[in-house]
Amino acid sequence: KAGVTQTPRYLIKTRGQQVTLSCSPISGHRSVSWYQQTPGQGLQFLFEYFSETQRNKGNFPGRFSGRQFSNSRSEMNVSTLELGDSALYLCASSLETNSPLHFGNGTRLTVT
Amino acid sequence: ELKVEQNPLFLSMQEGKNYTIYCNYSTTSDRLYWYRQDPGKSLESLFVLLSNGAVKQEGRLMASLDTKARLSTLHITAAVHDLSATYFCALRLGGSRLTFGEGTQLTVNP
Repeated sequence: KAGVTQTPRYLIKTRGQQVTLSCSPISGHRSVSWYQQTPGQGLQFLFEYFSETQRNKGNFPGRFSGRQFSNSRSEMNVSTLELGDSALYLCASSLETNSPLHFGNGTRLTVT
Repeated sequence: ELKVEQNPLFLSMQEGKNYTIYCNYSTTSDRLYWYRQDPGKSLESLFVLLSNGAVKQEGRLMASLDTKARLSTLHITAAVHDLSATYFCALRLGGSRLTFGEGTQLTVNP
């Protein structure tokens, strides 16, 4: 069974640009959540989607947004990139909203 | 606001020695997780602890949970180099929202 797939693995963007990250969950998993990992702030929850609806949102500015499609694949978008957005972005999927999380390998975003 | 604190944050130990990582948290939760992360890699699930007194063991790692003390421990027995990694505890508040500790960077020296 394939795991959680995140694309791309690496991204380099310039301040002010926007970026879209993609996450394909494990087949059959309906919940997808996103986390940001930085050396300074650690691992922080961004948002969770279940059946195309946002269930939870972390404490991030509105520049961070996401969505989930009918096949459970999810995208997150960051607009007007700032240097502080440089991070490893991890996607996790679970069968149901309270099931164990399975993490992808992440997308490393560098903003210059 | 839920706070999750781990200590120590850095741990350098010799092979063959035992040590414990502590995870304190500030509010009740229905489950506590331990994850391992190797440099540049994703999070690997180690344990899920659901109830007070829960103890789980896998190889040289053993995790326990004391909900009354709001404390979980990850005990390492007879450490080997392959255990070098960063270990995180995390609490689930609801849904898929986890609050993570700062992580403990473990280095096992020969």
